Amino acid sequence: QITLKESGPTLVKPTQTLTLTCTCSGFSVTTTGVGVGWIRQSPGKALEWLALIYWDDDKRYSPSLKNRLTITKDASKNQVVLTLTDMDPEDTATYFCAHKLDWSWFEPWGQGTLVTVSS
Amino acid sequence: DIQMTQSPSSVSASVGDRVTITCRASQDISSRLAWYQQKPGKAPNLLIFAASTLQNGVPSRFSGSGSGTDFTLTISSLQPEDFATYYCQQANSFPLTFGGGTKVEIK
Repeated sequence: QITLKESGPTLVKPTQTLTLTCTCSGFSVTTTGVGVGWIRQSPGKALEWLALIYWDDDKRYSPSLKNRLTITKDASKNQVVLTLTDMDPEDTATYFCAHKLDWSWFEPWGQGTLVTVSS
Repeated sequence: DIQMTQSPSSVSASVGDRVTITCRASQDISSRLAWYQQKPGKAPNLLIFAASTLQNGVPSRFSGSGSGTDFTLTISSLQPEDFATYYCQQANSFPLTFGGGTKVEIK
């Protein structure tokens, strides 16, 4: 059974860097074909894709956030890490990680973690 | 970026009703479209991928159709557990993009 779980701070201050960890189980982040993505959802708003990392360390980023985003993976811990620099209240959202299927749809998703940006 | 436009943004329906949600892509995405269901406070669940393929475990009252730029999600007979928000997502090219969502509410 594939599961993913996000972890990280629930509150960050403006200008700080957010680091979120996605702990994966039921699959290896280094198995050929595997990808893990990050998607966020501001309160009451639609889903926004952020980044995707493949088994071979290839990466894709949302152009609107590319300068602030970094996605990496730690094979030894079977984790995927997302960092977002220079946090702003507009970055307040629930952040989800998800397992990529086929072309680039996602299933399953982690439960999500709400991150609030406030001083 | 490919823009995904869903309509309607909300729909009120009764149990047993047939509900249709549309999603339009700003350019041709072939059949690289997925539909998700999201309930309040929960993560999205994949319902349909490749425009018309039902994900394992999803009830057959859900169906998807379309290709190119116009897509449809249909719930043939709405059940109480189907009241949720539905999103489309294109997987044709990066950046991946989602529609604005359609909230299916109880009439």
